[in-house]
Amino acid sequence: GENVEQHPSTLSVQEGDSAVIKCTYSDSASNYFPWYKQELGKRPQLIIDIRSNVGEKKDQRIAVTLNKTAKHFSLHITETQPEDSAVYFCAARLRSTPLVFGKGTRLSVIA
Amino acid sequence: NAGVTQTPKFQVLKTGQSMTLQCAQDMNHNSMYWYRQDPGMGLRLIYYSASEGTTDKGEVPNGYNVSRLNKREFSLRLESAAPSQTSVYFCASSEAIGSQEQYFGPGTRLTVT
Repeated sequence: GENVEQHPSTLSVQEGDSAVIKCTYSDSASNYFPWYKQELGKRPQLIIDIRSNVGEKKDQRIAVTLNKTAKHFSLHITETQPEDSAVYFCAARLRSTPLVFGKGTRLSVIA
Repeated sequence: NAGVTQTPKFQVLKTGQSMTLQCAQDMNHNSMYWYRQDPGMGLRLIYYSASEGTTDKGEVPNGYNVSRLNKREFSLRLESAAPSQTSVYFCASSEAIGSQEQYFGPGTRLTVT
């Protein structure tokens, strides 16, 4: 089955700086890669996703890049703000199977 | 729409006790999931139901059973709770097993002493 590794487990950045979180996956047939954000005490919520036929996707200050050859994808957050502080999960999915999640990255944005 | 709802929000059990966690969704989704979240371990899939009438094991099914009661409801049962089952449990749903977004419930914090 699919296996997803996520790094780093914790990340601290100064407000206004960029943050990058990286994930690798094991099965080259995986075709869908979402990112979820979980604020303290809340439920995970989808913030951005990318399919295997796209190399990059942006939504305001967040972007996701996918390198199918290397089997890794990354979340980029620019101009970080205190409200970006949360745990971020990457995930991958083979066609018609449930998502497999990484272990999460705790991002702290220091004002 | 309430989305995905879970009951209870908190629960404390003694070792060996049983309980059922309830989950319901009002989005007419076909697929539903149960995850557990432990510190440093991410979200691990316990069981899922691709459609009404079907259930399948996920990554960590031991010690749990599930019932897809109807299209809206998917329950998780602990027959004999163990301290290792202390966790936060999330239910989620999606339009189909291969569809894009999973919607999560608010979670149930379970402590087994």
